[in-house]
Amino acid sequence: DAKTTQPPSMDCAEGRAANLPCNHSTISGNEYVYWYRQIHSQGPQYIIHGLKNNETNEMASLIITEDRKSSTLILPHATLRDTAVYYCIVRVKTGNQFYFGTGTSLTVIP
Amino acid sequence: NAGVTQTPKFQVLKTGQSMTLQCAQDMNHNSMYWYRQDPGMGLRLIYYSASEGTTDKGEVPNGYNVSRLNKREFSLRLESAAPSQTSVYFCASSERLAGTSGTGELFFGEGSRLTVL
Repeated sequence: DAKTTQPPSMDCAEGRAANLPCNHSTISGNEYVYWYRQIHSQGPQYIIHGLKNNETNEMASLIITEDRKSSTLILPHATLRDTAVYYCIVRVKTGNQFYFGTGTSLTVIP
Repeated sequence: NAGVTQTPKFQVLKTGQSMTLQCAQDMNHNSMYWYRQDPGMGLRLIYYSASEGTTDKGEVPNGYNVSRLNKREFSLRLESAAPSQTSVYFCASSERLAGTSGTGELFFGEGSRLTVL
């Protein structure tokens, strides 16, 4: 199973772009990268996912490097409500499993 | 549309007692999961069920049993609770693998907060 490495914490000024990195150097060719976030002690919320190409939705953008060994989640205009723990997950091919790491605690500063 | 419903939301047990956490989803998802989250930690997978009739161990299965009762319901049982099982338990479900139709994302319940004294 591919493992992910994320910085434990980051700060971002309100209104600025938040760029959250993730390393997944052992990712396999058909494994997807998923991002989730968890606000307070609620259940995690899906943000975005991708395989090879960069992806964008109404919440965020996902940039995956060409070698697929790392990715970056971009929140284009961070708000205070984006303060949360962000998890980068590589989805294993078999068994439909999701393994969460410890994530990055993002604090958006007014 | 309720999504994923967990019961109970809060429970206090004494060491050695048993209990079952219930989870039901109304999205017709094939796969269901149980995670635990300890204070300041990420989520760890306990058990999962890729489809009705199948269950598999995750990262931390010891001390737990599961039952996939039908497509909607997936229960987690603690046979003899220990203080180390004090945690927040999350149930989740997903539709199918990404690459087919749908995103394959996980949908989570609100969590069940368990304290074992």
